[in-house]
Amino acid sequence: QVQLVQSGSELKKPGASVKVSCKASGYTFSSNSMNWVRQAPGQGLEWMGWINTNTGNPTYAQGFTGRFVFSLESSVSTAYLQINSLKTEDTAVYYCMRDLSMLRFDYWGQGTLVTVSS
Amino acid sequence: QSALTQPASVSGSPGQSITISCTGTSSDVGGYNYVSWFQQHPGKAPKLMIHDVSNRPSGVSNRFSGSKSGNTASLTISGLQAEDEADYYCSSYTSSSTVVFGGGTRLTVL
Repeated sequence: QVQLVQSGSELKKPGASVKVSCKASGYTFSSNSMNWVRQAPGQGLEWMGWINTNTGNPTYAQGFTGRFVFSLESSVSTAYLQINSLKTEDTAVYYCMRDLSMLRFDYWGQGTLVTVSS
Repeated sequence: QSALTQPASVSGSPGQSITISCTGTSSDVGGYNYVSWFQQHPGKAPKLMIHDVSNRPSGVSNRFSGSKSGNTASLTISGLQAEDEADYYCSSYTSSSTVVFGGGTRLTVL
């Protein structure tokens, strides 16, 4: 069965970096793109962008360029989200999700809470 | 890209039907048949309920249906049940080859 399992919660100080992992299983990793979404506390979903799991080419949404980096380790079917120079406003739950085709986000990770606080 | 517009909250009694609207522009909702709806219970990951405007994934109750007219998409839930109480989000593909979500709607089952 398809599963996306994300890494655990993180507590970081402003200015630090964090790397969230999303390990896929139950399907061919390179067959479907991986997307990322942010959900700040009590807020809605915000699409961050996606990464082509064939080519490794990332696409970032407006507002998520510069400090945010999508990457892959295809040998272990894992996608990563790295956030550099963390700010308190980056405090949120981050989700990865598989795109079966054109916003058919059929499987989601369980979410990773990143808390940025001094 | 501005978020799609959804009502902040809707409510209904068990057994009733409710509709949640999702309004965008001709550059997103109105321009493509790539509208999806997601259900999110507190503390849980979102779940895909509708894709491609009106298609239900396997396993999703047929009480959930989607439609679109012009720049507005809609999610209708018929035969409301207590377990339907959750937040609902729409999303659409855009002319910039990006994805935009709605602000979310809190459904309360009275």
